[in-house]
Amino acid sequence: DGGITQSPKYLFRKEGQNVTLSCEQNLNHDAMYWYRQDPGQGLRLIYYSQIVNDFQKGDIAEGYSVSREKKESFPLTVTSAQKNPTAFYLCASSAQGDSGNTIYFGEGSWLTVV
Amino acid sequence: EDQVTQSPEALRLQEGESSSLNCSYTVSGLRGLFWYRQDPGKGPEFLFTLYSAGEEKEKERLKATLTKKESFLHITAPKPEDSATYLCAVSYSGYSTLTFGKGTMLLVSP
Repeated sequence: DGGITQSPKYLFRKEGQNVTLSCEQNLNHDAMYWYRQDPGQGLRLIYYSQIVNDFQKGDIAEGYSVSREKKESFPLTVTSAQKNPTAFYLCASSAQGDSGNTIYFGEGSWLTVV
Repeated sequence: EDQVTQSPEALRLQEGESSSLNCSYTVSGLRGLFWYRQDPGKGPEFLFTLYSAGEEKEKERLKATLTKKESFLHITAPKPEDSATYLCAVSYSGYSTLTFGKGTMLLVSP
């Protein structure tokens, strides 16, 4: 089935650690996105990529990093510089990086700091 | 100031009791308005895209409409399985991605 796969579903991070969330899509979409969701807040954009080997910061990029070496993959690293990383992380993709295109989401990853 | 505002924040309905959710936006140059459904602990599921004022789209018990400054998601004779958080998002000129509202949490009781 075509879709967006995020892993792991649940992840625990110790203080000072970097962790990486995986996102893979087989929809042949050009654009990919990472959002963060906190209770009572809307989805907030962390990073997005419209083509391979290129990406842009979103509204809350500080403490995060990404790479886009392959069209189907867009991993997100939560670094130790991110002071409040506990949240629900959503990866998404769209056919093109044009904002008129529908964005489709993966099932999400929960990150908790322990 | 929020660019996308959804109301109410939460709504409780009895099964069969029709109602509407509101999404108002202040952006200029709207390119599209999107509705998603999100179940607890899962990613948002795409429902509708509306592109111009006066446009309407339907899917089962849901009907989305769009005016120049707001959109409504009408739910006709809801069932308990319609319980979810409904998210609204807009795309507009000069911005490459979607801007989301905070959502309306809908609970339909049997």
